[in-house]
Parts: sequence; structure tokens; C-alpha cells
Amino acid sequence: EADIYQTPRYLVIGTGKKITLECSQTMGHDKMYWYQQDPGMELHLIHYSYGVNSTEKGDLSSESTVSRIRTEHFPLTLESARPSHTSQYLCASSEYKHYNEQFFGPGTRLTVL
Amino acid sequence: LAKTTQPISMDSYEGQEVNITCSHNNIATNDYITWYQQFPSQGPRFIIQGYKTKVTNEVASLFIPADRKSSTLSLPRVSLSDTAVYYCLVGDSGMDTGRRALTFGSGTRLQVQP
Repeated sequence: EADIYQTPRYLVIGTGKKITLECSQTMGHDKMYWYQQDPGMELHLIHYSYGVNSTEKGDLSSESTVSRIRTEHFPLTLESARPSHTSQYLCASSEYKHYNEQFFGPGTRLTVL
Repeated sequence: LAKTTQPISMDSYEGQEVNITCSHNNIATNDYITWYQQFPSQGPRFIIQGYKTKVTNEVASLFIPADRKSSTLSLPRVSLSDTAVYYCLVGDSGMDTGRRALTFGSGTRLQVQP
């Protein structure tokens, strides 16, 4: 089993709150990713990183931000949550060259009231 | 990155073999074909990857014709627990790919009936 963790698993918060979704992996993978997925819908890549101090925006525009200060840690932050941010957020990681084989965490289901 | 096309949904019954075909007409020479499985409320899980001909593991088989413009994921004797969404992706797994990322499409929703 892949060793990639996300916390919290579920989060219900009010509009305007600042939140950080945590993602950590213990596989030493250089590449990490954040995806957003609504129930029954496609996965959309919103951020990825190919190493420490590198981040890139994905295919889907997102108001969230990410940071990569340590190899194993790739948190996602929403400065001011809105109901439109309600979704499932999935974190993944892969080796630098073998980005086809990604290991996914269990996800965080975010509900903004 | 090559675009993929696969059926939106498929239905099957327990014990049957299921074949899901994916089209990728613009596949590049260095591209590999990768399949993922996703259960409801979980992240996708890597199933199998191949470049050409046939690849088999404990979960599935992947058939790739010589022109590589399509691929078929074969699930032998499916059970109810194989009900999931299956994604076909194409990407370069070779050199100098550190800054690239995959694009997941809509996938194929497989429903296995008893």
C-alpha cells in the first residue's frame, strides 16, 4: 500500500474561513499533485510540484495556493473559503520520471456552508 | 499530451470478462498507456501500464495493437467489487518528464450486476 496521507478526511466550515488541507507522503517522491473532484465528475488537476520550492498550476484554475518546503509535505491553502469550494480534494505523488504511476491519498471532502 | 476517448459507461454481470477500449490516435512514440481504477469516495488506484503488445498482472490485462492507437483493458471474471470508474491515460514515462503531469478524462463507469 502507498504511504500517502491526507488530513482532515472531512471538513465542514463556514464561509470566509482560512483552511489548510494537509498531504504527506513517506515514499520520497519528488512529484506531488492536488486534484479536485466533484461527486461523479472528472478529476481536475489544480496544482503540482516537481520538487522542493517548485509549484505549478494545473489545468483547472483554482483560488487555492500550495507550498513545497519539504519533499514529503504538500499543503493546500484556501485563504477565504466559499461554498463554490465545496468538493473532494485528492493528493497524489509519483517518482520524478514516472509520473504515469501516481499514488493517491484518501482525499479530503470539504463542505463550505 | 495525447487525448484519449473511452466509453462513458458499461454494464456487465458477475463472472463475465469485461473489455474496455480506449482510443488514443495521437499517441507519441515515447508515450505509455496507463489505466487507473477509482471506487466511490476514494482516490484512483494504478492498475496497469504498457507500451506495446500485451501486459498482464494479477488484476488485469492490457492489450495494445501494433499501431498503438488504441488499447483494451481486460478484467477477467468480474465481481460486484469491480464496480468502479476506469481511466485510460497516455503520457511519456521516459526521460525529461519531470515537469509534466497527467490529465484524467471522464473515464468509463463500469457497473457489475449480480
